[in-house]
Amino acid sequence: AQSVTQLDSHVSVSEGTPVLLRCNYSSSYSPSLFWYVQHPNKGLQLLLKYTSAATLVKGINGFEAEFKKSETSFHLTKPSAHMSDAAEYFCVVSDRNTGNQFYFGTGTSLTVIP
Amino acid sequence: DGGITQSPKYLFRKEGQNVTLSCEQNLNHDAMYWYRQDPGQGLRLIYYSQIVNDFQKGDIAEGYSVSREKKESFPLTVTSAQKNPTAFYLCASSIYGSDQPQHFGDGTRLSIL
Repeated sequence: AQSVTQLDSHVSVSEGTPVLLRCNYSSSYSPSLFWYVQHPNKGLQLLLKYTSAATLVKGINGFEAEFKKSETSFHLTKPSAHMSDAAEYFCVVSDRNTGNQFYFGTGTSLTVIP
Repeated sequence: DGGITQSPKYLFRKEGQNVTLSCEQNLNHDAMYWYRQDPGQGLRLIYYSQIVNDFQKGDIAEGYSVSREKKESFPLTVTSAQKNPTAFYLCASSIYGSDQPQHFGDGTRLSIL
């Protein structure tokens, strides 16, 4: 069965310091993995996706994620946090066995301290 | 400008009342989805549709109904059978395929009067 575990429900960082949001997944087949960001009372916006190409994926706003099959992980990173990065982040998995369904983690709330 | 439009942004329901949430997309996507978001629980799938006139139940379909009469539209009705409807509802669409990202609307917040 497909599932996603976001290891931290809340992460706080100081502005200008690195961001690490952790995600582990479970998938029976070659997965597709996504990170989305959600600002308050808004929909989700795609940050980046992995679909069996390069294992290091670059996204928008300076975010990137690395697919590690041996660790079943897809952690999201950013070298330097900005105040505008404060939001909720969701890791999502799907694969060809799920048809067109996607499985969401419970989210990580990122706080950026000035 | 392509995207997904959800309306209304805020909606209030009285006890015993059905309410319908609108979702329209002009992205020419085949697949559309409805999710419910509660604090600390992520997104849970209510219904999804891969093609016009066809839809499937998700994990929490009880108390909800949908229709897909047009490719662009996927309205969700929250019936009186849904005893705890207060939540943030998100509509999404995508090109069919597990490697295709979803595009989301800005949501409808439903509250009980």
